[in-house]
Amino acid sequence: QVQLQESGPGLVKPSETLSLTCTVSGGSVSSGSYYWSWIRQPPGKGLEWIGYIYYSGSTNYNPSLKSRVTISVDTSKNQFSLKLSSVTAADTAVYYCARLHVVVAATTYYYYGMDVWGQGTTVTVSS
Amino acid sequence: EIVLTQSPGTLSLSPGERATLSCRASQSVSSSYLAWYQQKPGQAPRLLIYGASSRATGIPDRFSGSGSGTDFTLTISRLEPEDFAVYYCQQYGSSPRITFGQGTRLEIK
Repeated sequence: QVQLQESGPGLVKPSETLSLTCTVSGGSVSSGSYYWSWIRQPPGKGLEWIGYIYYSGSTNYNPSLKSRVTISVDTSKNQFSLKLSSVTAADTAVYYCARLHVVVAATTYYYYGMDVWGQGTTVTVSS
Repeated sequence: EIVLTQSPGTLSLSPGERATLSCRASQSVSSSYLAWYQQKPGQAPRLLIYGASSRATGIPDRFSGSGSGTDFTLTISRLEPEDFAVYYCQQYGSSPRITFGQGTRLEIK
C-alpha cells in the first residue's frame, strides 16, 4: 500500500525558508489520479491546506500563503517538496503530506478525498 | 472563500450513544466535494467519508454522512471507545481549493 513520509529540519530560524520533502513508497508520484498535498496544523489548532501539485508540475496554493509557498515534484525520486519562505513563529506547526485522490473525466472532477497521509513532522520556528 | 463551520465545538457522549456532528458551509458546496476526517491525538487525520456520504475503504458502517447544499452531517450510530477523537469536515472546489472546518471534539462523557 502507498505510504508517505515527511522529512526535513525540525527547527527553522525566523525569516529563513522552511524546506520539507515527502517520499512516496508503494506507489508512484506519477500516477495520474492524484494530487500531492501539504497540510499543516499549528499546536492545538485545526488543519490548514497549504497547496498541492500534480505530477506534471501543475500547482494550486492557498491564497493566504501563495506568496511564500513553492511546491515541487521530483518524479525520478518519487518525492514532492514544500518550501515556505520568510517564516515566523506563526508557521510553527505539524506539517503533513497527503495524497488527494481526484479523477478527471472530460471537464468533470470526481473527488475521493485525501486518502493517504504521512505521519507528520513538527517544525518549530525559533531563533 | 467558502467557510465551513462545525458544531458543536465539543460533544460529550457515552459509548453506545449516537453522535451527530454538523458542518455548515457559507456557500453551497457540491455534495460530491465534501469529506470528513477523524484525527486522534498524535496521529494524522484519517479519511472517513467522501462525496458527503461514501465511506472510505475500511471505515465501519456505523459511520455515515449525509447532506447537501450548505448543511452536512456526520453520524456515528453507536459510539465505540475508539471513536472519541476530533472530526473535521473539508470541502474541495472553490478558492482556496481546499478548506477545513475548525473541528468537533468528541469526548467521553
